[in-house]
Amino acid sequence: DGGITQSPKYLFRKEGQNVTLSCEQNLNHDAMYWYRQDPGQGLRLIYYSQIVNDFQKGDIAEGYSVSREKKESFPLTVTSAQKNPTAFYLCASRRGQGGEQFFGPGTRLTVL
Amino acid sequence: SQKIEQNSEALNIQEGKTATLTCNYTNYSPAYLQWYRQDPGRGPVFLLLIRENEKEKRKERLKVTFDTTLKQSLFHITASQPADSATYLCALEQSNYQLIWGAGTKLIIKP
Repeated sequence: DGGITQSPKYLFRKEGQNVTLSCEQNLNHDAMYWYRQDPGQGLRLIYYSQIVNDFQKGDIAEGYSVSREKKESFPLTVTSAQKNPTAFYLCASRRGQGGEQFFGPGTRLTVL
Repeated sequence: SQKIEQNSEALNIQEGKTATLTCNYTNYSPAYLQWYRQDPGRGPVFLLLIRENEKEKRKERLKVTFDTTLKQSLFHITASQPADSATYLCALEQSNYQLIWGAGTKLIIKP
């Protein structure tokens, strides 16, 4: 079955640590996205990538980094520079520009 | 600034009735508007997309309207069922193909 997987489902981070969230898709989609979801707010775009080896900052990129070395994979690193990282992180993909986005199950990150 | 508003309060509907959710936006002229369903602790799932030149779109028990003059989209679920209980998100597609998301409305269908 085609889809998007994210791991881990739950992640705990100590202050000052970097952590990496995994996102893999087998839908053969070119575009991939990372969003952050906080209670009472809409999804906010962190980074997106339209093609392998290229990515752009979204609205809230500070404290985050990404890579896109393979079409299937778009990992997100939450660095120690991100002051309030506790949130629900969602990865999505899309075939091309415009239209439906497909989402993974999400990773809930908690800072201890 | 661009803004999308959805009812922040939960909407309680009796089973079998029609549920109507609202999405209002300001300072924007989207080409497309999308609706998603999100269950607790899970990723959103795409439901419907409507273009700016379309007034209405239907899919089974779902209907979406798009009024670019009022800057409003309405999302209807007819013959609602408890399984329709979820949070529903609207999203506007910008000219650069990025989506701007509303915070969502929680829908509760009571048996």
